[in-house]
Amino acid sequence: RKEVEQDPGPFNVPEGATVAFNCTYSNSASQSFFWYRQDCRKEPKLLMSVYSSGNEDGRFTAQLNRASQYISLLIRDSKLSDSATYLCVVNPPGANNLFFGTGTRLTVIP
Amino acid sequence: EPEVTQTPSHQVTQMGQEVILRCVPISNHLYFYWYRQILGQKVEFLVSFYNNEISEKSEIFDDQFSVERPDGSNFTLKIRSTKLEDSAMYFCASSFDRGQGYTFGSGTRLTVV
Repeated sequence: RKEVEQDPGPFNVPEGATVAFNCTYSNSASQSFFWYRQDCRKEPKLLMSVYSSGNEDGRFTAQLNRASQYISLLIRDSKLSDSATYLCVVNPPGANNLFFGTGTRLTVIP
Repeated sequence: EPEVTQTPSHQVTQMGQEVILRCVPISNHLYFYWYRQILGQKVEFLVSFYNNEISEKSEIFDDQFSVERPDGSNFTLKIRSTKLEDSAMYFCASSFDRGQGYTFGSGTRLTVV
C-alpha cells in the first residue's frame, strides 16, 4: 500500500468555484501533515500545515481525520492563479523525511 | 523571504560521469535534504542531513550518491557515475526543526545522455 494516496485528477473548475481534494495515508502513527503546491516544472511550495483541529488560511481550509487517516484541502472562490498541482505530504513517525503523494492537478477556467 | 538556492539550474552530463549538485540552505536552518522528481512522477526522498552527518537515507540513495557540507553554507549532492535513470529534477530543501514543512530550492534539472 502506498504511503500517501491522492486522486490525480485533473480537476477543471470555473473561476469562483469551490473545490476539495482528498488524500489518505497508510501509517496511523504519522504526526505531521502538509499541503504543498507545485507549479509546472517548479519546486514544491508549502501551502499550509494540517492540524488535528483543522485550520484555515484565507480561502484555503485543511482538515485532518485521524480515525480515517484522511486529509482534505478545500479551496473556496477559486482564482486562475490557483491552477497548479496540489501535493499531500506526510511526515512518517520517527522519521525526518516527507512522503509525497502523486499530486492532484487543478485547472481553474475563466 | 529567505530562499534555498541551487546551482546549476540545468546540467547535462554523459552516462558514467560524476556530477555535483550544489545548494545553499537557509542560513539558520539545521536540517538539510535532497529529494528528486523524475518527470511525471512524485517527489521522492533521497537523504536527510543533520549535525554534519546523514540522519536518514532512502533505498534510492545507494553507494553512487554522497552528500557533503564542505563549509558553513554549501550542501552538495554528488553522483559518482551517472546512469540514464538518474535523469530527474533534484531538489534541495532545509528546515529549522524536524516535523516542520520544508523550504525547497528551485531545483537542478539533471539530464544524463
